[in-house]
Amino acid sequence: QKEVEQDPGPLSVPEGAIVSLNCTYSNSAFQYFMWYRQYSRKGPELLMYTYSSGNKEDGRFTAQVDKSSKYISLFIRDSQPSDSATYLCAMSVSNYGQNFVFGPGTRLSVLP
Amino acid sequence: GAVVSQHPSWVICKSGTSVKIECRSLDFQATTMFWYRQFPKQSLMLMATSNEGSKATYEQGVEKDKFLINHASLTLSTLTVTSAHPEDSSFYICSASPLGVSSYNEQFFGPGTRLTVL
Repeated sequence: QKEVEQDPGPLSVPEGAIVSLNCTYSNSAFQYFMWYRQYSRKGPELLMYTYSSGNKEDGRFTAQVDKSSKYISLFIRDSQPSDSATYLCAMSVSNYGQNFVFGPGTRLSVLP
Repeated sequence: GAVVSQHPSWVICKSGTSVKIECRSLDFQATTMFWYRQFPKQSLMLMATSNEGSKATYEQGVEKDKFLINHASLTLSTLTVTSAHPEDSSFYICSASPLGVSSYNEQFFGPGTRLTVL
């Protein structure tokens, strides 16, 4: 079993749809959870950062963490064509200088 | 703020040659820099972690003699792919963590370097 699993997609949705992206993990020691967006041939950019369980909202993006189920989600409301990218979840155990474990990424296409 | 640059953005080289990739934190000092490799349609795979002034820590399966990492200053780390072969062709991405204890584990990623070995 991989440490972090993520549906690779591709996921295609119409513009304006609500998108749900998910990751599951096996290491219960993970406490810090990140979502990155990566456009083709570019480096990842941080979208959301959460610690432990709960929800966090930032504009059209909402991140959820359920540590009991080892499951995290990223919701995108009112999706736009510019949201088309690969979304990577990442996790770490500690909060300083710790390398992340990345999921394989989900390719999202938002169709106009 | 928190910009990380990489140079070159792409490079094509002949098999057997060595290629150096630079990673710079432009507006902050980085205690730790990470080097990742990403194959098409796959996720980032950590190759090594480097701390300024000390030897890099390589992930299992990564040849330290082939992928030389030098973290000479708090703003610069270099990855040298020695005796490159076509199977080394990949997208190499660095990230940097700011100096000092942060409120959370920050990593800022560079734009990546695409290496093609002929």
